[in-house]
Amino acid sequence: DIQMTQSPSSLSASVGDRVTITCRASQSISTYLNWFQQKPGRAPQLLIHDASSLQSGVPSRFSGSGSETDFALTISSLQPEDFATYFCQHAFRTPWAFGQGTRVEV
Amino acid sequence: QVQLVQSGTEVRKPGSSVKVSCKASGDIFSRFSFSWVRQAPGQGLEWMGRIIPVFGTTDYAQKFQGRITITADESTSTAYMELSSLRSEDTAVYYCARGRYSDYWGQGTLVTVSS
Repeated sequence: DIQMTQSPSSLSASVGDRVTITCRASQSISTYLNWFQQKPGRAPQLLIHDASSLQSGVPSRFSGSGSETDFALTISSLQPEDFATYFCQHAFRTPWAFGQGTRVEV
Repeated sequence: QVQLVQSGTEVRKPGSSVKVSCKASGDIFSRFSFSWVRQAPGQGLEWMGRIIPVFGTTDYAQKFQGRITITADESTSTAYMELSSLRSEDTAVYYCARGRYSDYWGQGTLVTVSS
C-alpha cells in the first residue's frame, strides 16, 4: 500500500501569511493527488485535484504543485476562514490513503 | 445540485453490526464510484473502501477485510456500508464521498460503539 506523509502536523500563521504544506508519497503516484480542507464538525471539502487543478468555487489563493512523490499545497495570503485542517490523499490505486493532516492555527 | 445524504446517528454494542446509507441526488449515480471514509474523534481521515456501482465491484482496505461490505442500489441511487464485529475503536464519524476526486461528501454519520 502507498503511504502519505504530510508535514508539518501543525503550524501557526497570521492573516496575510503565505503558507505551504507538503505531502510525500511512499512511491510514485503521478499526479493522482487531492487536497482537502476540513473545519470542525464538517465534512472535508475538495480544494485541489490531480495535484494542481483548482476545484470549481475554490478561491485562487489556493494552489497545488508537484508530481511523482512530492507535492505541496500553498495558500498565497491566509484569510481568517482558512484556519482549518488540511489533508492530502492519493487516488493512484486503492487503498486511497490520506496524509495525517496539517492543522493551521493562529 | 449534487447531494449525498447519509442516514442518522447509530449506537451499537460491541460485537454487533451497523449499516450506513448514502443517498445521492443531482447526477447520474452509476457514473461514479463511492468511497467510505471514517474519522475517529480527534483523529485523521481513514479510507475504508469503495464501490463502482455500474460494475458492482468493490475494493476494501486490508484493515477492514472480512468485516466490511459495501453495496449499492442503482434503482434508489444509494450506497451502503456495513461494518460487523464492532468494537469500541470503531466509534467514529463515517462519511461517503463521490468519485476519484471525492468532490462531494455526505454530512457524516456518527457511529458509537459502547456496552
